[in-house]
Amino acid sequence: SQTIHQWPATLVQPVGSPLSLECTVEGTSNPNLYWYRQAAGRGLQLLFYSVGIGQISSEVPQNLSASRPQDRQFILSSKKLLLSDSGFYLCAWSPGDGETQYFGPGTRLLVL
Amino acid sequence: QKEVEQNSGPLSVPEGAIASLNCTYSDRGSQSFFWYRQYSGKSPELIMFIYSNGDKEDGRFTAQLNKASQYVSLLIRDSQPSDSATYLCAVNLSGGYQKVTFGIGTKLQVIP
Repeated sequence: SQTIHQWPATLVQPVGSPLSLECTVEGTSNPNLYWYRQAAGRGLQLLFYSVGIGQISSEVPQNLSASRPQDRQFILSSKKLLLSDSGFYLCAWSPGDGETQYFGPGTRLLVL
Repeated sequence: QKEVEQNSGPLSVPEGAIASLNCTYSDRGSQSFFWYRQYSGKSPELIMFIYSNGDKEDGRFTAQLNKASQYVSLLIRDSQPSDSATYLCAVNLSGGYQKVTFGIGTKLQVIP
C-alpha cells in the first residue's frame, strides 16, 4: 500500500529565515505530487504540482518554491519567510493517470 | 463567483439523524467530484468520489451528483459524534489537468 510522509510535523521559524519542508511517497511510482497551504479558517490553496522529476508548475506567485529531485520526493522551500507564510502545509499525491488525491499528515508552520 | 462553493456552517445535527452536506460548482464541464473529511488539526482524508449522475453509496455515506444543476451532496446516515469534522468538496474543473479545486468546507457537529 501507499504511504505519504511529511516532516517536520511542526515548525516555528522567525521572519526572514529559510524553509525546507519535505514530502516522500512510498509504494508507488510516477505519482503526481502537490503542495497545498491551508490558512486558519480558509480553504486549501494549491501552491505547486508536479507530474515528474524536475517538472514543477506554480499556481500562485509567492516567495515559495518547490523541487522534485527524485520520483517520490517533493520539497517546498523559501529563502526568506514572511509572516503570511504561516499555515498548515499539506503534501498530496495522486496516481500518474488519476485524479484522486491522498494527503500526508501535514506540517504546521508558524512564522513569528 | 467562487468555483466550488460550500456553506461553512456549522451544521448541527442530532446523533442518529441524517446529515446533508451540499456543494455547488461553477464549471459545467467538470467531470470528477470528491468528498474529504478533515478532523480538527489533521489532514483531509478521502471519503468517496463520484463521476456519474445519481447516487453512490458506501456504508453510511451517499454521494449524490446532479450535473445539470451543478451540485454534489454528501449524505451521512445515522450520524455519530465521531462524524463531527469539516467536510471538503473537491471538483476537477474542466481544463484543470489532474488538479482539483477545493471548497472551503462545511463544519459538521453531531450532537449526542
